[in-house]
Amino acid sequence: QLVVTQSPSASASLGASVKLTCTLSSGHSTYAIAWHQQQPEKGPRYLMKFNSDGSHSKGDGIPDRFSGSSSGAERYLTISSLQSEDEADYYCQTWVSGIQVFGGGTKLTVL
Amino acid sequence: EVQMLESGGGLVQPGGSLRLSCAASGFTFSSYAMSWVRQAPGRGLEWVSAISGSGGSTYYADSVKGRFTISRDNSKNTLYLQMNSLRAEDTAVYYCAKTGRAHALDAFDIWGQGTMVTVSS
Repeated sequence: QLVVTQSPSASASLGASVKLTCTLSSGHSTYAIAWHQQQPEKGPRYLMKFNSDGSHSKGDGIPDRFSGSSSGAERYLTISSLQSEDEADYYCQTWVSGIQVFGGGTKLTVL
Repeated sequence: EVQMLESGGGLVQPGGSLRLSCAASGFTFSSYAMSWVRQAPGRGLEWVSAISGSGGSTYYADSVKGRFTISRDNSKNTLYLQMNSLRAEDTAVYYCAKTGRAHALDAFDIWGQGTMVTVSS
């Protein structure tokens, strides 16, 4: 069964960098994922799609401060030069056999 | 500009029905699979249902299978979600989401603004 795991919370200081993690369950380590941002009281916003081979595509207008990487079954979203508007929930999404699966989301606090 | 606008949400009693719509513009609607995703108050995102670009393939989460029906009218660039036998646990903001290709399995690259569904007596 495909399960996507994210840490519930993360924090980092204004101007610093933070790395959020999305872990794919055993047997699914080669799956592509997507990252989505949800700012408070807003709908989700697509950030990027990341493939296990390292190739990726970003959504329109997503700044270079947002980047993706991977290692084994883990997919990472790194946000550099943190700004106050980066304080949001971040969701990992993947898909298999006709279903879509979301991680539980990581709440990022910018200190 | 790519836009998707949901409508049809509201307050409904348990056991009732509601039909959501999502009007799309700014892209070739029939070329892309579409999904409905919901978010209960204070909770994370939950995928509900998906439909291929042609409408020939549909997929459902176990939590809604047999109660919800997804459909689309490509001539009207509109996605629908017929929700029957509604339960309190269906209370959520419902978002439509565009997939990056015709097949239902891919990243969601555009989201609507959402419509609230409240199931309560």
